[in-house]
Amino acid sequence: DAGITQSPRYKITETGRQVTLMCHQTWSHSYMFWYRQDLGHGLRLIYYSAAADITDKGEVPDGYVVSRSKTENFPLTLESATRSQTSVYFCASTLAGGPEQYFGPGTRLTVT
Amino acid sequence: GENVEQHPSTLSVQEGDSAVIKCTYSDSASNYFPWYKQELGKRPQLIIDIRSNVGEKKDQRIAVTLNKTAKHFSLHITETQPEDSAVYFCAASNGNAGKSTFGDGTTLTVKP
Repeated sequence: DAGITQSPRYKITETGRQVTLMCHQTWSHSYMFWYRQDLGHGLRLIYYSAAADITDKGEVPDGYVVSRSKTENFPLTLESATRSQTSVYFCASTLAGGPEQYFGPGTRLTVT
Repeated sequence: GENVEQHPSTLSVQEGDSAVIKCTYSDSASNYFPWYKQELGKRPQLIIDIRSNVGEKKDQRIAVTLNKTAKHFSLHITETQPEDSAVYFCAASNGNAGKSTFGDGTTLTVKP
């Protein structure tokens, strides 16, 4: 769906560098989420946001920072990337009160 | 918090056979149980869901059953086809902040 996009789609970075993954949705969904997907671990929630300027930690928040100054954008920053953060990252959004989640296409991040 | 366990982790069936994937959840407050399908290299997409006030729901070849007492729910795919090959995720949500807790996924392979 063009309604939720992620950039970049692929990223290779070095250990210790800062990297920001972008997520943009055009539906004006209130809730947005960041997941990481690793083999054997399914989808693990990193951070989520209920609205602009409201964010909260998920299951695996360490090493990540988020912000949400506008409803449509929810960037995820790795302040000092580590090899363990090599993963596929999915952004998702949902209507207020609606638990069905709409996923972005994902960003494959490799930390060397 | 909620804990969702999903079995089996891999499932291989012959085309035309049925496939069953089972999930259990821990939080009795969970009231929404979606199933997502993720094809190789793609994003997860909702295929069917069920709410806690319903015991079964069907959509063509796909059905989901829910046993609230036992806290488990299952996905049933009949007359499987090669295009059903994918990773399937179950999830549970109590409507809190739109958050869902995901199972670790089942890789379904349908052999022609």
